[in-house]
Amino acid sequence: QSVLTQPPSVSAAPGQKVTISCSGSSSNIGNNYVSWYQQLPGTAPKLLIYENNKRPSGIPDRFSGSKSGTSATLGITGLQTGDEADYYCGTWDSSLSGVVFGGGTKLTVL
Amino acid sequence: EVQLVQSGAEVKKPGESLKISCKGSGYSFTSYWIGWVRQMPGKGLEWMGIIYPGDSDTRYSPSFQGQVTISADKSISTAYLQWSSLKASDTAMYYCVRGTMVRGVITDFDYWGQGTLVTVSS
Repeated sequence: QSVLTQPPSVSAAPGQKVTISCSGSSSNIGNNYVSWYQQLPGTAPKLLIYENNKRPSGIPDRFSGSKSGTSATLGITGLQTGDEADYYCGTWDSSLSGVVFGGGTKLTVL
Repeated sequence: EVQLVQSGAEVKKPGESLKISCKGSGYSFTSYWIGWVRQMPGKGLEWMGIIYPGDSDTRYSPSFQGQVTISADKSISTAYLQWSSLKASDTAMYYCVRGTMVRGVITDFDYWGQGTLVTVSS
């Protein structure tokens, strides 16, 4: 059981928008930055969003992040078949003194 | 270009020791934290620990403390993850990651190695 809770799967049609939620507590999301990672099939994860809502260089603005209280959300607009991947949220947990991840969400672009 | 290049896949027997590596390039190796993340077959990501090659300050996840050893050789810009006695449950993909730490808190992992698959089987 992961410390952060994500839906196991989400799906949407090409061109549509999807959101992926990440729920935690005051010891993690509530008081620390959230990051998001994309893992395409058979590849290493890649940083998508850091410090709740910032995009690294090269990440298109179709990807966005937000945080409110003890939850965070990843948004993806203009869905493409190439966005099919597993998405993970991560943050620091002050009680555990370590990084925790969500269980991952599999995105299917129908 | 920042790169983390990991050593190749390993097949080991239970009880054997193992040390896998991660070589950083394209940046100042001693100025960034390097960590390790485990992904068991078909499962999610688990943070194992992290080291600052500049002074070898090392932090472990409570789940992995005492189970593995993280080290680094800054003279060759390489970090290591080692086991003294492998178990079948150590079978997983292991990723090295470059971490950002602010006021003692890791905020994100901005670069990832390609992964090293470790298989432990009798």
